[in-house]
Amino acid sequence: EAGVTQFPSHSVIEKGQTVTLRCDPISGHDNLYWYRRVMGKEIKFLLHFVKESKQDESGMPNNRFLAERTGGTYSTLKVQPAELEDSGVYFCASSQDGYSGTQYFGPGTRLLVL
Amino acid sequence: AQRVTQPEKLLSVFKGAPVELKCNYSYSGSPELFWYVQYSRQRLQLLLRHISRESIKGFTADLNKGETSFHLKKPFAQEEDSAMYYCALSAGNTPLVFGKGTRLSVIA
Repeated sequence: EAGVTQFPSHSVIEKGQTVTLRCDPISGHDNLYWYRRVMGKEIKFLLHFVKESKQDESGMPNNRFLAERTGGTYSTLKVQPAELEDSGVYFCASSQDGYSGTQYFGPGTRLLVL
Repeated sequence: AQRVTQPEKLLSVFKGAPVELKCNYSYSGSPELFWYVQYSRQRLQLLLRHISRESIKGFTADLNKGETSFHLKKPFAQEEDSAMYYCALSAGNTPLVFGKGTRLSVIA
């Protein structure tokens, strides 16, 4: 069974540019989550989709971040325009159950904003 | 707000020695607690959760509500246990809150 996949694995962009991260969850998982780990800090929740609906986006830092999950399959997370403090590792996870279920994580996308 | 504290950034132990990774939380209700692990060049994965009360790879963790702790223990550390360990909490139907992680290094 294929696990959660993320693309790209790394991205280096300049401040002010746009970057789009993609996540493909495990097939059949309705729940999809985005997290971020900024260097030296803990992994922080960004948002949660149930199918194509945003269930909880309380962790989104500001309106420069836009997440979508059209059709309830893969999801994208766009940062526009990127700022230096957006650098970090962005993780995607999926689960069959909600927050209390086992979440399966992707390998992460390492974003560096220069 | 819920909080998870892992006081040790790095823990080094010798192979065969006991290991205990500390995790304390702040939450007034009944939390669901998890330990996630990330081995080198691998993705973050669930190691164990308190409601399962199981032992995975020789690791156990007991929820102590009085001390608000969920320490991870293993009686005899192995080199393959070297990894980054994250304690996480869910307060019912709320997102996971992670600690900052502890890097365990098992020395041969």
